[in-house]
Parts: sequence; structure tokens; C-alpha cells
Amino acid sequence: DAGVIQSPRHEVTEMGQEVTLRCKPISGHDYLFWYRQTMMRGLELLIYFNNNVPIDDSGMPEDRFSAKMPNASFSTLKIQPSEPRDSAVYFCASSLRGGSTDTQYFGPGTRLTVL
Amino acid sequence: AQSVTQPDIHITVSEGASLELRCNYSYGATPYLFWYVQSPGQGLQLLLKYFSGDTLVQGIKGFEAEFKRSQSSFNLRKPSVHWSDAAEYFCAVGLSFGNEKLTFGTGTRLTIIP
Repeated sequence: DAGVIQSPRHEVTEMGQEVTLRCKPISGHDYLFWYRQTMMRGLELLIYFNNNVPIDDSGMPEDRFSAKMPNASFSTLKIQPSEPRDSAVYFCASSLRGGSTDTQYFGPGTRLTVL
Repeated sequence: AQSVTQPDIHITVSEGASLELRCNYSYGATPYLFWYVQSPGQGLQLLLKYFSGDTLVQGIKGFEAEFKRSQSSFNLRKPSVHWSDAAEYFCAVGLSFGNEKLTFGTGTRLTIIP
């Protein structure tokens, strides 16, 4: 299996622009997680899905952030409008069954820079 | 709410020396505990995990960790480090069954010197 795939790997944009990050989970995995990693706050869970349905979005920082999972093999995280403080590495992860005991497999991340 | 503390931000170890990375957690019940490693420019990879049973767990790449309930700790160890072990290491805690969320520590960056 190719693992979790994220695109783009790097994104540089200007403040106010819309940014869309993409993720393809491992085939057969029922859970998908979006994380954000910054120096100041470490690794934070933004939102996660089970069978394409958002389960917990309490980590989404504000209304400028939205996430969708239209099917089992694709998810997007959108920021509109983007701000410099959104600069971070965004990770997508997937797991087979969910639950605290299940291993989460991480993608390589998207490094976002908002100028 | 649960929390994870990794008190060491950065550790430098000579190649071939032993390693111990500290992790302390705060949670009212027995947690599920994980160690992940992040190599530069890469995503996180699971090293090992503890749910119950034997408090000494073995992981990949020669790592092990010991759960000590009395100290609320889950320290990661390796008897002899290799240059390829240079990376950032994250401890994480999961809640009891039915909750998929993991809470991560702030990470410990490991540097290996020849």
C-alpha cells in the first residue's frame, strides 16, 4: 500500500487566499484525522471522520477552516481566507477501525506558508 | 482532560550510547500510551504502544518503553543508538475505549553525535 498520500507537499500563498489541502487515506481505513503542527502549539487534532462523517471538529480553530470527506478515498481541508498564523505543517492520518488502541498512520504532511 | 508532558525539548547522545526519553501523563484512568517518531520532512511513525498487560513493551527499531503507573510515566529506551535514530519523538495518550482522539506531547528532538 502506498500509505497516506497528501498533496501538495508544500504550499506558499498570500494572506486572504483560499488554500485547499488534500488527503488520500489508506484503502480500507474507516477513520481519517487532520492534525496541525506548529512550534508553539505542537501537534493538534483539528477534526476526524468515521466512514466519511465528521465526528469531532472541536479542534478546528475557527470558521475559516472547513473539512470534507466526500468519499472513502479523499478528504480536503480548506482555509478561506488564509492568514499568516495559519502557517504550519498539516498532517492527515488514517486508521483501520478507530478507537484509542488503533494505530494511526500519518501522511508526509503539507507545509503551508501564508505570507 | 488528559495531558502529556515531555520534559526534555532536546537531547544529544553519542552514537552507541544508551537513550532514555521521558514521558509523563495525566489521566484519571489507565491510559493507552504511544510513542511515535518523526524523521525530518516525514510524517509520524508508530514505534510502540501500551494498552494493558506486561508493562515493558517492545517496539520497532530496537526501542522499548516501560509503563510505570506509580510514576505516571512511559519512558522510551534504546540500549544503543544509531545515527539514523536522529529524529523527533512524540509521546501520546489515548482515552479509554470509544474515543479516537490522541493527545500528543510537545516532542523531544534527538541529536546523535559521532
